[in-house]
Amino acid sequence: AQSVSQHNHHVILSEAASLELGCNYSYGGTVNLFWYVQYPGQHLQLLLKYFSGDPLVKGIKGFEAEFIKSKFSFNLRKPSVQWSDTAEYFCAVRSYSSASKIIFGSGTRLSIRP
Amino acid sequence: DVKVTQSSRYLVKRTGEKVFLECVQDMDHENMFWYRQDPGLGLRLIYFSYDVKMKEKGDIPEGYSVSREKKERFSLILESASTNQTSMYLCASSSPGEGNQPQHFGDGTRLSIL
Repeated sequence: AQSVSQHNHHVILSEAASLELGCNYSYGGTVNLFWYVQYPGQHLQLLLKYFSGDPLVKGIKGFEAEFIKSKFSFNLRKPSVQWSDTAEYFCAVRSYSSASKIIFGSGTRLSIRP
Repeated sequence: DVKVTQSSRYLVKRTGEKVFLECVQDMDHENMFWYRQDPGLGLRLIYFSYDVKMKEKGDIPEGYSVSREKKERFSLILESASTNQTSMYLCASSSPGEGNQPQHFGDGTRLSIL
């Protein structure tokens, strides 16, 4: 069965630190990959997505993610975080054959110290 | 701007009651989704619909049903509520042109079953 693993449950960083949140999935076929973000008190929103092409995907608010097929990974990065990046981040994967069934990871809570 | 509206932010019901959660979107989207969000488990898909009167089971449909009589409205029904259905319920919508993934989320309904 497909699964998505986010190994870091809670990450604490200081402002201006670099960020990398891990995401690994288990599925051998073609996949679409997503990162969603949920800021405190706000609804979930799509941060970025990978369907095909350049494996380095740029999203909103300076975030990017790199799809490494050989490692089944889609890690989220940001070179310099801000206090406003405090949020919960969810990685998600959809296998090419599963239409709209997207599997979400358990989420990583990111806390930024001002 | 797309708006996905869930009828209640907070709801308290009793075991055995039939519970209706309503979701309305204002962008004529074909796809609509119901998820539940639990700490440490991320989002799990209950049901989705890609057209009026069409529905597909997600990963955890047991104990739930859905109704989509009109394109803009997608209702989640708990046939006989149980305490293990206490959760945050999220509705989402999208169009095929956006990639079919859940793109626009509502604010969620926090449901407590006593």
